[in-house]
Amino acid sequence: EVQLVESGGGLVQPGGSLSLSCAASGFTFSDHHMDWVRQAPGKGLEWVGRSRKKANGYNTEYAASVKGRFTVSRDDSKNSLLLQMNSLKTEDTAVYYCVRDNDHYGMDVWGQGTTVTVSS
Amino acid sequence: DIQLTQSPSFLSASVGDRVTITCRASQAISSHLAWYQQKPGTAPKLLIYAAFTLQSGVPSRFSGSGSGTEFTLTISSLQPEDFATYYCQQLNSYPLTFGGGTKVEIK
Repeated sequence: EVQLVESGGGLVQPGGSLSLSCAASGFTFSDHHMDWVRQAPGKGLEWVGRSRKKANGYNTEYAASVKGRFTVSRDDSKNSLLLQMNSLKTEDTAVYYCVRDNDHYGMDVWGQGTTVTVSS
Repeated sequence: DIQLTQSPSFLSASVGDRVTITCRASQAISSHLAWYQQKPGTAPKLLIYAAFTLQSGVPSRFSGSGSGTEFTLTISSLQPEDFATYYCQQLNSYPLTFGGGTKVEIK
């Protein structure tokens, strides 16, 4: 079964850091771009960042709202995707989804999400 | 950045109705558009990619059309399980962006 499972969410104070993990199974992880997408409470979807596959140099892209604060990385040997979040702001409060990305062909596999709350 | 404007943002419909949702892009995105369905408390689900290609396992009552800047998602005969929020997404250029969503509720 193709599956993505996120972990690492929790409560953190403004200015703090948190690291999210995503464990992939059921498919060849190294063949796919991977993304993080978030959803603030009661709001719509916001793309956070992308890690391209090895064939594309593992290049990363970020939304302007997180660039310089968040880092997406991956470990193909462990089938895992990471999101390191620094200098967190209250507006980063959201459910964070790990997503398999088929480039122009859509995001076809989503994890169940992990909740990050930034509050004092 | 490419802005996606969905309309309507909310619609009330009955089982069996034909429903159309529009997504307009602020600049041309070829056919690099996807549609997602999201039900409360769950992750989004890919319905359509490349503007009109049905994702495997998605019922044929869903269809997509359009290219360039104007796109539509049509549900030919609304079923009880289709009441949800629908999002479009452009995958043409960074940053990837989503529309604001269309919530489909039971009339």
